[in-house]
Amino acid sequence: KNEVEQSPQNLTAQEGEFITINCSYSVGISALHWLQQHPGGGIVSLFMLSSGKKKHGRLIATINIQEKHSSLHITASHPRDSAVYICAVRSIYGGSQGNLIFGKGTKLSVKP
Amino acid sequence: NAGVTQTPKFQVLKTGQSMTLQCAQDMNHEYMSWYRQDPGMGLRLIHYSVGAGITDQGEVPNGYNVSRSTTEDFPLRLLSAAPSQTSVYFCASSLAGNSYNEQFFGPGTRLTVL
Repeated sequence: KNEVEQSPQNLTAQEGEFITINCSYSVGISALHWLQQHPGGGIVSLFMLSSGKKKHGRLIATINIQEKHSSLHITASHPRDSAVYICAVRSIYGGSQGNLIFGKGTKLSVKP
Repeated sequence: NAGVTQTPKFQVLKTGQSMTLQCAQDMNHEYMSWYRQDPGMGLRLIHYSVGAGITDQGEVPNGYNVSRSTTEDFPLRLLSAAPSQTSVYFCASSLAGNSYNEQFFGPGTRLTVL
């Protein structure tokens, strides 16, 4: 079983729609990251969360530590939001400090 | 700042050849790591370093070597390339290896092994 599961795997939306991408994880974590991978391949960090909610422009990320679940919301979606969105967690167990465990990503396509 | 740079962007190798993927950062980050990205899979950690002179294995280290002689550079060496190493490779860095530091990624190297 994957330690980080994202849903949906693929998502097509019309411009202007409200979008939600979900991330569930099975390990104890110290932080959760949301990343965006552009069609050209580059990866950028969007949010880093350990509790609550963060907002940046039209993007909102929430996390529920008790339920081991995080959501990424995009309000008023635009074709330039088309990308792969990746959830990653830092486990508090085993391995080495600082290493991330990645979900497989959600591919979002926003149509004009 | 240039951020995290990787070279080359694209590379084609024949089975058995060796090569080095270069990664450099100019942000004075202590933590650097190498990932590979394959279709249908999440990014997987190959090797990482928590500072100059210190490296350790990640999830999929076989067939790869790393060294960290300076804070800035973290090259990844393929010892004898195999078709299974065809992938996109990303280098990343962060200020430190703990939870609360943003990860910065390089642009990636697309490697094909024939």
